[in-house]
Amino acid sequence: NAGVTQTPKFQVLKTGQSMTLQCAQDMNHNSMYWYRQDPGMGLRLIYYSASEGTTDKGEVPNGYNVSRLNKREFSLRLESAAPSQTSVYFCASSERKEGNQPQHFGDGTRLSIL
Amino acid sequence: DQQVKQNSPSLSVQEGRISILNCDYTNSMFDYFLWYKKYPAEGPTFLISISSIKDKNEDGRFTVFLNKSAKHLSLHIVPSQPGDSAVYFCAASVAALGGHAGGTSYGKLTFGQGTILTVHP
Repeated sequence: NAGVTQTPKFQVLKTGQSMTLQCAQDMNHNSMYWYRQDPGMGLRLIYYSASEGTTDKGEVPNGYNVSRLNKREFSLRLESAAPSQTSVYFCASSERKEGNQPQHFGDGTRLSIL
Repeated sequence: DQQVKQNSPSLSVQEGRISILNCDYTNSMFDYFLWYKKYPAEGPTFLISISSIKDKNEDGRFTVFLNKSAKHLSLHIVPSQPGDSAVYFCAASVAALGGHAGGTSYGKLTFGQGTILTVHP
């Protein structure tokens, strides 16, 4: 009954360090997403993967890269962390079929960059 | 350019009363709308959704109303319970072209800023 699992839950980085946030889902969903949540701004889409083998930029992609490793896993990488990337990061997944399908979220990774 | 707006940062309601959370949008291409609930240190949890072909959808104590001409939707919680205290986000998306799972915009959600609901016992 895991749903969407994100690791790590917390991380502190120094400016310039790199890091990969991991996300895995066990619902056999085709589509996966990465969001960031900042105070007063709701959730903003960073990157998404409509299906295995494809990735596309969202609203705020600068400073990030993603990899859709397989159908289950979608990772987010910060190559050179900056203080502006301090945020809570959420991964989500959804079905991709006719009609609209809600997204299911993990519990987030809280990232601080000093 | 905030395409989805929740203009009330917070709402305080007495237990048993109705809670009404509001959301406005500007993009007329949006045709699928959702409400999510979020507790501290957890991810958002899907609550209820509505397609643009409807003006109302009900699920137990939760009802979502959509007014397309006003580009406005609202979430009604009746009766409100202390366990409903959380942050509520509205979100909107553009459906796949022709109703099929295709199109570059399919499934991408645009979120509002959230409204903190506090239900007092």
